Amino acid sequence: DVKVTQSSRYLVKRTGEKVFLECVQDMDHENMFWYRQDPGLGLRLIYFSYDVKMKEKGDIPEGYSVSREKKERFSLILESASTNQTSMYLCASSYPPGYEQYFGPGTRLTVT
Amino acid sequence: DAKTTQPTSMDCAEGRAANLPCNHSTISGNEYVYWYRQIHSQGPQYIIHGLKNNETNEMASLIITEDRKSSTLILPHATLRDTAVYYCIVRVDNYGQNFVFGPGTRLSVLP
Repeated sequence: DVKVTQSSRYLVKRTGEKVFLECVQDMDHENMFWYRQDPGLGLRLIYFSYDVKMKEKGDIPEGYSVSREKKERFSLILESASTNQTSMYLCASSYPPGYEQYFGPGTRLTVT
Repeated sequence: DAKTTQPTSMDCAEGRAANLPCNHSTISGNEYVYWYRQIHSQGPQYIIHGLKNNETNEMASLIITEDRKSSTLILPHATLRDTAVYYCIVRVDNYGQNFVFGPGTRLSVLP
């Protein structure tokens, strides 16, 4: 079975802190994604990566950056956390040919 | 990506088949139909996808109408653990295409 793991299920940070969210997949997938999920807004794509050291902006990249130094690991960085970044963060990975995405369990981040 | 329409909620008795409909009347010829589900406080779980033929796997069956304007996800023997929000998504199969999750159908499996 495909396994996508995220470093924390719950995280509480203070405004202005730098926050790192880690995602690891164990199936040698080429593509990895970061989403956030908010009530009434569904899932929104922040960034995705289709190869090591490659990244593409999604729909809402402002306030975030990403890093992919190894194929299996994709990190989301909040440079200076703000309260409007309180959300559920979901990582996903995919591979050809179907490109179906497999999601991690999510990290519920609260910024106070 | 084409828009989908699903009922807001449905109930199903445990052990019976759950049939979840989805309308996608503006689907394009190269768009696939995907189904995911999300159990409370967990990440979405991939269920099945198809282009125009019916598909079956260990979790479910996907029936797509001949004109491809609608589809039905069938859970053959629903259990309490199938209680979740089910999302029908249509998209082109391309690595750069993200999944747009609408409100979905909240399925409650009742004992």
